[in-house]
Amino acid sequence: EVQLVESGGGLVQPGRSLRLSCTASGFTFGDYPMSWFRQAPGKGLEWVGFIRSKSYGGTTECAASVKGRFSISRDDSKSIAYLQMNSLKTEDTAVYYCTRGLRAAAGKYYFDYWGQGTLVTVSS
Amino acid sequence: DIQMTQSPSTLSASVGDRVTITCRASQSISSWLAWYQQKPGKAPNLLIYKASTLESGVPSRFSGSGSGTEFTLTISSLQPDDFATYYCQQYNTYSLTFGPGTKVDIK
Repeated sequence: EVQLVESGGGLVQPGRSLRLSCTASGFTFGDYPMSWFRQAPGKGLEWVGFIRSKSYGGTTECAASVKGRFSISRDDSKSIAYLQMNSLKTEDTAVYYCTRGLRAAAGKYYFDYWGQGTLVTVSS
Repeated sequence: DIQMTQSPSTLSASVGDRVTITCRASQSISSWLAWYQQKPGKAPNLLIYKASTLESGVPSRFSGSGSGTEFTLTISSLQPDDFATYYCQQYNTYSLTFGPGTKVDIK
């Protein structure tokens, strides 16, 4: 059974950093791209970024709203994906979801399994 | 970024009703569209990908259609478990974007 478990959320002050982890099980982690999404309280879904599998270079893409502040990495030996969040702003307050990606075609990825999410609250 | 819109924003319906939600993209996305269902306090659940392909395990009362810039999600006979919010999402570009959601509630 595929499982994705996020951890590392919590209350953080503006300007500080936080690292989220996504621990995967039930599939060969290294074969899949992984992505992060977020949802502010009472709002819709927003893509944050994703990381390709090593076989496709392990490179990353990030949304313009977080580019330069957030970064994504992966440790295939531990089946963990990370979201490093720096220079946090109050508008980054959201539930952050980790997802497994599927490559539909060159440059086309959709996401089939989602974790339960972890809440990040940015407030002084 | 490609902008996604959905209509209606809220839909009131009864069990057994046929329900249709429309999603429009600001430019052509071919068939690179997914639909998700989300219930309060839960993660989204993939229903359909590539505009019309039903994800494994999703009931056949859900169907998707469309290509280019206009898409629809249809629930042929609404069930009590279907009251939720539905989002479309384009994956034609790396900058993935979602529609604002359609809440389906009980009439």
